[in-house]
Amino acid sequence: AQSVTQLGSHVSVSEGALVLLRCNYSSSVPPYLFWYVQYPNQGLQLLLKYTTGATLVKGINGFEAEFKKSETSFHLTKPSAHMSDAAEYFCAVSEPGANSKLTFGKGITLSVRP
Amino acid sequence: GAGVSQSPSNKVTEKGKDVELRCDPISGHTALYWYRQSLGQGLEFLIYFQGNSAPDKSGLPSDRFSAERTGGSVSTLTIQRTQQEDSAVYLCASSQGQGALQPQHFGDGTRLSIL
Repeated sequence: AQSVTQLGSHVSVSEGALVLLRCNYSSSVPPYLFWYVQYPNQGLQLLLKYTTGATLVKGINGFEAEFKKSETSFHLTKPSAHMSDAAEYFCAVSEPGANSKLTFGKGITLSVRP
Repeated sequence: GAGVSQSPSNKVTEKGKDVELRCDPISGHTALYWYRQSLGQGLEFLIYFQGNSAPDKSGLPSDRFSAERTGGSVSTLTIQRTQQEDSAVYLCASSQGQGALQPQHFGDGTRLSIL
């Protein structure tokens, strides 16, 4: 069984500040990891994913995440927040070779203060 | 190009009625998923279709829920005898092939409200 933990439900940062959204996972096999973003009244958009290889993954809109097996973590970062980054962010895990279904965390709402 | 299309975008119905939600995946995508997003439960997997294989129905919460995919393309999620706890956003996603390496592309969802 797999699970994802996203601690806290809301993060607020100032424009230009570092964004750090935490994600920890549990999986019985080496997982595939994903971050999705959801804007109001829209579906989910893939930000980035880790499957194999390089553990630092770069995504769209300046976001990146690092897979740390020893910490079972896949935290999402962005050096400088922009107002347009305000949205809900979901971390998800999938097991290779399975039916590819995604198991999501509860999500974190990011607010950006001017 | 066209993305995943879901209809209706909003649906309000009375408790006990049946509802049908439609999903048009991206053309050529063989895998199709339904998820439910609700305040209490977050995002939950419901059902997965891959080509002509038998669907994975392991996420369906009760036998009131069913889904079909005709001709390997359009899918319909049906909820019978709706209950208030069925109120949620139902999201459909499609991907190009089997396996987690293929990214899932999501529609904007159907917001279902049960009165």
